[in-house]
Amino acid sequence: AQKVTQAQTEISVVEKEDVTLDCVYETRDTTYYLFWYKQPPSGELVFLIRRNSFDEQNEISGRYSWNFQKSTSSFNFTITASQVVDSAVYFCALSTTDSWGKLQFGAGTQVVVTP
Amino acid sequence: NAGVMQNPRHLVRRRGQEARLRCSPMKGHSHVYWYRQLPEEGLKFMVYLQKENIIDESGMPKERFSAEFPKEGPSILRIQQVVRGDSAAYFCASSPPFIIPGQGNYGYTFGSGTRLTVV
Repeated sequence: AQKVTQAQTEISVVEKEDVTLDCVYETRDTTYYLFWYKQPPSGELVFLIRRNSFDEQNEISGRYSWNFQKSTSSFNFTITASQVVDSAVYFCALSTTDSWGKLQFGAGTQVVVTP
Repeated sequence: NAGVMQNPRHLVRRRGQEARLRCSPMKGHSHVYWYRQLPEEGLKFMVYLQKENIIDESGMPKERFSAEFPKEGPSILRIQQVVRGDSAAYFCASSPPFIIPGQGNYGYTFGSGTRLTVV
């Protein structure tokens, strides 16, 4: 069975601080996919990144970076120099090759960035 | 290239009425998925459909909920005799039948959701 754990319910930071969101996953599959989505107050789901299990290279996109470590089954997400517009709920999700279109979501982490 | 279209955006129903939520997948996508997000919770998978076929309905409540994806037209999530506990955001996603190389998001796209309120 697949499981995604986002232990942090809410993180509050002041603008320009860095914030790291943890994501720990469980799966028996050797090939799987990990995702991060952002849900701003307006409610839509915004795709941020997808990672394949066979690609452990970390990724940076602007102020966002992701650290994928298979050894610890973690796929953490860091926002550098946070801004008020980063305030949102962030979801980590997992899918596997036997049900690749079916995402298992974590509970989400609410990020609150204050000026 | 329009994204996944869901309508209505907001839906209010009285207890006991029926709710019909529509999802038009992206062009070229033949797979549709429905998810439910209860207040203050994450998204939970409900059902996975291909045209005229239910592939996986392991997340669907046993009663009152049904889904279809006909040969022509949008996918429909139908909730009969709604109760207050059905109030939630319902998201639809679509994908192609296989992974398309180079598609960063894995070819998996969400709609903006339908917010159902049962009064």
